[in-house]
Amino acid sequence: KAGVTQTPRYLIKTRGQQVTLSCSPISGHRSVSWYQQTPGQGLQFLFEYFSETQRNKGNFPGRFSGRQFSNSRSEMNVSTLELGDSALYLCASSLEGLAGPSTDTQYFGPGTRLTVL
Amino acid sequence: AQSVSQHNHHVILSEAASLELGCNYSYGGTVNLFWYVQYPGQHLQLLLKYFSGDPLVKGIKGFEAEFIKSKFSFNLRKPSVQWSDTAEYFCAVPYSGAGSYQLTFGKGTKLSVIP
Repeated sequence: KAGVTQTPRYLIKTRGQQVTLSCSPISGHRSVSWYQQTPGQGLQFLFEYFSETQRNKGNFPGRFSGRQFSNSRSEMNVSTLELGDSALYLCASSLEGLAGPSTDTQYFGPGTRLTVL
Repeated sequence: AQSVSQHNHHVILSEAASLELGCNYSYGGTVNLFWYVQYPGQHLQLLLKYFSGDPLVKGIKGFEAEFIKSKFSFNLRKPSVQWSDTAEYFCAVPYSGAGSYQLTFGKGTKLSVIP
């Protein structure tokens, strides 16, 4: 089974621009979660999509948004980029995702490295 | 706020040494616990997980972890490390807040194994 794929792998943008990242989950997985990874803050949860609906959300500003398509593929958008948005953005897929205190295993993609200049 | 603490930021060991990485979480109602590993240049992958039952969980590559509910801990162990275990290790716990759930990660522990 193919793993989680993310495109592009690397991006360089300038402040004020917007960016869209893409994630294709493992076949059959309905949940897609997005994380931001930085050396200072570590891995931080952005949001989770399940069956085309945002089901869970972390503590990020509204500049960070996402969506999920009927084939479970997901996109994440960051508008008005800031220098602090430079990070590795990880996507993870799972069968049922974050449905409660009990959550199934999340499988991570290789990430998109975003650099904001 | 609910949190996951990994006490060691960077651990350096010689090959064949024993390893124990600490993980403590703050939420008493937790039912699932995970350890993920990120090898240099590779993506994050599952090392082991606890869902229920035997508190001693065995994972890939000889790793194991023990869930001690009374101590809110889920420490990772390996009796004899190899150079190929050089990686960053993350403990993760699902948490809820304001009706939303998320998988919360510790800050990670970087392990360097010297041949």
